[in-house]
Amino acid sequence: GQQLNQSPQSMFIQEGEDVSMNCTSSSIFNTWLWYKQDPGEGPVLLIALYKAGELTSNGRLTAQFGITRKDSFLNISASIPSDVGIYFCAGHRNSGNTPLVFGKGTRLSVIA
Amino acid sequence: DTEVTQTPKHLVMGMTNKKSLKCEQHMGHRAMYWYKQKAKKPPELMFVYSYEKLSINESVPSRFSPECPNSSLLNLHLHALQPEDSALYLCASSPRGGTRNTEAFFGQGTRLTVV
Repeated sequence: GQQLNQSPQSMFIQEGEDVSMNCTSSSIFNTWLWYKQDPGEGPVLLIALYKAGELTSNGRLTAQFGITRKDSFLNISASIPSDVGIYFCAGHRNSGNTPLVFGKGTRLSVIA
Repeated sequence: DTEVTQTPKHLVMGMTNKKSLKCEQHMGHRAMYWYKQKAKKPPELMFVYSYEKLSINESVPSRFSPECPNSSLLNLHLHALQPEDSALYLCASSPRGGTRNTEAFFGQGTRLTVV
């Protein structure tokens, strides 16, 4: 199925640095979700966004639903070693009765 | 309780074996999903159950057979699998209705190896 364009594919950062990743689509999305997945585990929901322009925080994480409804970004401030993992964006193109579409993921490595 | 519980966590099976993966949630969610995930790839949808009825089958081979015995349980029956079916199998659930009906919660997954 269709996949979202997620970038960057991977990042290597120093502990304490801020991180930014984003997802874009050629189609309008009504919902954006951000997940984190640790090796051998299932994805964990971090933030859900439902309205264009919405900016939502969860601790050091902040995500925004783009005004055009075709993009979303996730920021992580003051990164720590446990932020290591793969971050996936996902979205629904209508009311939610269609399956989630996933981005290809951003692999984050934090150097202490 | 915000957990989706999957068993077993690891499974090794031969190509002639029959096995089942199990998934359980007690969040009152009425949509449940099976995903397959290969290494370094995003989850790939296999099946969707909505109100205990199969609503989406993403052209999955018949050697994978889903079952939803009730609103809390989801099974995936496996038979005559191939080595390329080795992957992490993820179960997820989400509410139906309401403003947060699209938030899918995932289980820990079953790491399946077909030998």
